[in-house]
Amino acid sequence: GAVVSQHPSRVICKSGTSVKIECRSLDFQATTMFWYRQFPKQSLMLMATSNEGSKATYEQGVEKDKFLINHASLTLSTLTVTSAHPEDSSFYICSATGGDSPLHFGNGTRLTVT
Amino acid sequence: TQLLEQSPQFLSIQEGENLTVYCNSSSVFSSLQWYRQEPGEGPVLLVTVVTGGEVKKLKRLTFQFGDARKDSSLHITAAQPGDTGLYLCAGRVGTASKLTFGTGTRLQVTL
Repeated sequence: GAVVSQHPSRVICKSGTSVKIECRSLDFQATTMFWYRQFPKQSLMLMATSNEGSKATYEQGVEKDKFLINHASLTLSTLTVTSAHPEDSSFYICSATGGDSPLHFGNGTRLTVT
Repeated sequence: TQLLEQSPQFLSIQEGENLTVYCNSSSVFSSLQWYRQEPGEGPVLLVTVVTGGEVKKLKRLTFQFGDARKDSSLHITAAQPGDTGLYLCAGRVGTASKLTFGTGTRLQVTL
């Protein structure tokens, strides 16, 4: 069964609103979580790395004020897309690791901004 | 940023054919992984290779890590429609937990 749960799997929102995506580790403590973005027919691009209890490290070109990441507990990280625009429409995927646990991926969230 | 270039980008073959996907970089990786991803889902780990020259087999799939740990290949024997998907290599540099993904190879296997 899934060890990393991502929610929601699909979300449609209006331009200008904010959307929160959750990533939960189900049976291990995720000290580190990663957030990726994937455009259609393309590979995964790392957006940011979050360590529990500290600020996320963003990749070059990713706006930290637009993509807010919170990793307040060892089982939950959230990505909030603020003031969403149609160009933010994408497939967002999280992954998590911690202790002896290998990297596990969530099943992704398809965001559509209208 | 370490770039991982995969080739080919897209491959359409018939059931029973063999194929090889390549993953190349100018960077040295401490480990390299191969994933397969279905539409609308997260990637699923197929294999991890850590030693230069290492070869691993998973049923009809054979994975090889280059001697210099800069490149890798995935060979599929007698491809089946169920092999259809996006194949991604991903590498780690040093002790970093961050994974850098390759550009991806989209495989389509038809009857």
